[in-house]
Amino acid sequence: QKEVEQDPGPLSVPEGAIVSLNCTYSNSAFQYFMWYRQYSRKGPELLMYTYSSGNKEDGRFTAQVDKSSKYISLFIRDSQPSDSATYLCAMTINTGGFKTIFGAGTRLFVKA
Amino acid sequence: DTEVTQTPKHLVMGMTNKKSLKCEQHMGHRAMYWYKQKAKKPPELMFVYSYEKLSINESVPSRFSPECPNSSLLNLHLHALQPEDSALYLCASSQLGGLDGYTFGSGTRLTVV
Repeated sequence: QKEVEQDPGPLSVPEGAIVSLNCTYSNSAFQYFMWYRQYSRKGPELLMYTYSSGNKEDGRFTAQVDKSSKYISLFIRDSQPSDSATYLCAMTINTGGFKTIFGAGTRLFVKA
Repeated sequence: DTEVTQTPKHLVMGMTNKKSLKCEQHMGHRAMYWYKQKAKKPPELMFVYSYEKLSINESVPSRFSPECPNSSLLNLHLHALQPEDSALYLCASSQLGGLDGYTFGSGTRLTVV
């Protein structure tokens, strides 16, 4: 079983839709959770990071963490064609040094 | 523009060549990283320089060698690479060991022929 599971998609939605992207994880020791957006042939760009369970909002983006279910989500409201990218979840554990595990990434297409 | 600058953006090299990838950040971050990313795969950690201490992913072959001239610069020296080493090589930096995320560069797309 992978430490972090993420559906690779692709996920195709119409412009204006609410997008839900999800990751599950197996190790309850993960403490810090991040979402990155990666456009084709570019490096990942940090969208949001959070530590605690609950919701964190930034503009059209909401990150949700449920530590009891080992489940994290990223919601995108009023999706735009410019949101078309690969979205990677990532989570960090303190093992004496910090270790970050990335999900496989979900490819999102927002159609105009 | 990203705050982590990588050069070159593209590189084609033969299996007998020696080349170097360069990375620079001016955010005062104390940790810098090299990641390798194959198409449709997540980034894989290769090396970490944190507070002048090097940590190595033991699965990385010795034909890759990192160098950290100072806290703002990170190089990756390449020698005798194989075609399977063709990938996007990403440099990243962080302030808190990745707890608050990484700032990635745009990457160097490497092709080994």
